[in-house]
Amino acid sequence: EAGVAQSPRYKIIEKRQSVAFWCNPISGHATLYWYQQILGQGPKLLIQFQNNGVVDDSQLPKDRFSAERLKGVDSTLKIQPAKLEDSAVYLCASSLDGRGAVYEQYFGPGTRLTVT
Amino acid sequence: GQNIDQPTEMTATEGAIVQINCTYQTSGFNGLFWYQQHAGEAPTFLSYNVLDGLEEKGRFSSFLSRSKGYSYLLLKELQMKDSASYLCAVRDLNTGGFKTIFGAGTRLFVKA
Repeated sequence: EAGVAQSPRYKIIEKRQSVAFWCNPISGHATLYWYQQILGQGPKLLIQFQNNGVVDDSQLPKDRFSAERLKGVDSTLKIQPAKLEDSAVYLCASSLDGRGAVYEQYFGPGTRLTVT
Repeated sequence: GQNIDQPTEMTATEGAIVQINCTYQTSGFNGLFWYQQHAGEAPTFLSYNVLDGLEEKGRFSSFLSRSKGYSYLLLKELQMKDSASYLCAVRDLNTGGFKTIFGAGTRLFVKA
């Protein structure tokens, strides 16, 4: 079974520029998550989708971050404009279902973003 | 609010046993995960506990006490490849639905 795919793997941009990340979850997984992981810290949930609806985006800095999941499959996360403190690894994960039943999350390889 | 505490770092010897503790405070506890994360890689699932007690899976075991807000991950017969960060994550039910909150992780160093 193919895992969670993410691209790009690495990105270097200057502050105030914009950047977009793409995620393709495991086929059939209804729930998709975007996490931000700063070096030395645990992953912090930015947004969680159930199919193409948003379940939680309470920690998403909505003035600069946006995310969408068209047709309940692929997802994109955008940062515009980027700040130095956005330098982190952005992890995408998916699970069969995040509501009633409990399933573990499968993580993609992540995108390492460096903002200079 | 929600809070998860784990030791920052631990060191153990190859072949030994190590216990990594995790304490948590949440308002809508609905289960606890342990994930392993090697440096530069994505987290991978190790275990899930929702009821009190010990769950054993090969060299790894995970324990949960809901009344104490406490869990531990036990690694037996340590191998060099077990050097990694171990993330405790709590599944929390709030008004928006289920959310998984991760601790900062415990970095384990296994020495020969």
